Amino acid sequence: EVQLAESGGGLVQPGGSLRLSCAASGFTFSSSWMSWVRQAPGKGLEWVANIREDEREKYYVDSVKGRFTISRDNAQNLLFLQMNSLRAEDTAVYYCARYISLGDWGQGTLVTVSS
Amino acid sequence: DVVMTQSPLSLPVTLGQPASISCRSSQSLVHRDGNTYLNWFHQRPGQSPRRLIYKLSKRDSGVPDRFSGSGSGTDFTLTISRVEAEDVGVYYCMQGTHSPPWTFGQGTKVEIK
Repeated sequence: EVQLAESGGGLVQPGGSLRLSCAASGFTFSSSWMSWVRQAPGKGLEWVANIREDEREKYYVDSVKGRFTISRDNAQNLLFLQMNSLRAEDTAVYYCARYISLGDWGQGTLVTVSS
Repeated sequence: DVVMTQSPLSLPVTLGQPASISCRSSQSLVHRDGNTYLNWFHQRPGQSPRRLIYKLSKRDSGVPDRFSGSGSGTDFTLTISRVEAEDVGVYYCMQGTHSPPWTFGQGTKVEIK
């Protein structure tokens, strides 16, 4: 069974940083593109970033370019999202998902950016 | 960026009756490889989204066959042949043909009349 478990969310002040993690199991993580998607409170879904199996390709939505970095540790089956210079508009539940086509999702972790 | 426009945004449905959701893209979603990278997701209240359909019409494992995806070019439809109570929630379309970025529709909220 595919399992994805996000962690690392919380309350952070504007301009601060957070590092999200996603622990994966039940599939060959090292052979899978992985993605991050977010959902602001009461709003729709927004693709944030994705990363190729070998990290040679990474893509970001324009609004996070230069502030967020996606990475992975294939030995530990972990996906990361380093978020710097956080803004109020980054407040959302962040989901990790398997594949570019988002075939499986975690339960999400809430990031709140507020003073 | 490709803009995905869903309609309606709210859909009251009757149990046992069919329902359909429309999704239109601002550009054709036919990829140069011949595939149409159009997915459908369902999010129940308080839950994570779940993929129902990928590549226009392929149903994910475990998805009931009352769900079907269809369309071509810029016009797409998710059809529920007979609505059940567990089908309530918000449905999203998403394109991956012209990426990055991967873009979602606004969502359609389905509720029982």
